[in-house]
Amino acid sequence: NAGVTQTPKFRVLKTGQSMTLLCAQDMNHEYMYWYRQDPGMGLRLIHYSVGEGTTAKGEVPDGYNVSRLKKQNFLLGLESAAPSQTSVYFCASSYRPHRGGGDTQYFGPGTRLTVL
Amino acid sequence: GENVEQHPSTLSVQEGDSAVIKCTYSDSASNYFPWYKQELGKGPQLIIDIRSNVGEKKDQRIAVTLNKTAKHFSLHITETQPEDSAVYFCAARVAGGTSYGKLTFGQGTILTVHP
Repeated sequence: NAGVTQTPKFRVLKTGQSMTLLCAQDMNHEYMYWYRQDPGMGLRLIHYSVGEGTTAKGEVPDGYNVSRLKKQNFLLGLESAAPSQTSVYFCASSYRPHRGGGDTQYFGPGTRLTVL
Repeated sequence: GENVEQHPSTLSVQEGDSAVIKCTYSDSASNYFPWYKQELGKGPQLIIDIRSNVGEKKDQRIAVTLNKTAKHFSLHITETQPEDSAVYFCAARVAGGTSYGKLTFGQGTILTVHP
């Protein structure tokens, strides 16, 4: 199993440009999450999904949109990138929490995004 | 919502020493507390977790303690090794159906183990 993969690994954007980050998992997980990691601020939840076709806002959703058209994929979109969105983005997935083995979130390797 | 504070932000120890990282949480409804380790250039990985019905859990050189009354939990690493050098994150999850597995993370601790 590849686990959780993220595409691309690195990206540089100019202010106002748009892009989509792709997350894929091959563990048949129901839940998927997008986080951003900034120095001194830990991991903050952007959006999450509890199943195919569903999405919900997390802690810092402004400026981002997501889609979960297929169970294995979770896309994060930036419609008009801003320098404040410079960060490392992590995708994670898990089984439905509260069931046996459902608590662990498995993280991808991250995407480093720079917005100039 | 839940707020998690983590200390210290950096920790430097000699190989063989013990390391302790502490976290406090704000929501008394939190019932699940995982610890993640992030190595350079990689995503975080779960190393140990504890639920609110347990006061302590140990896995080889790693242990976690939970004090529900004081709303704090700690990670203890004994006999540290250079490969323990990484960023460690604590997290908390509020119980209940609406939590949807959402974790609130601490700010992270950079642990450096010197040979």
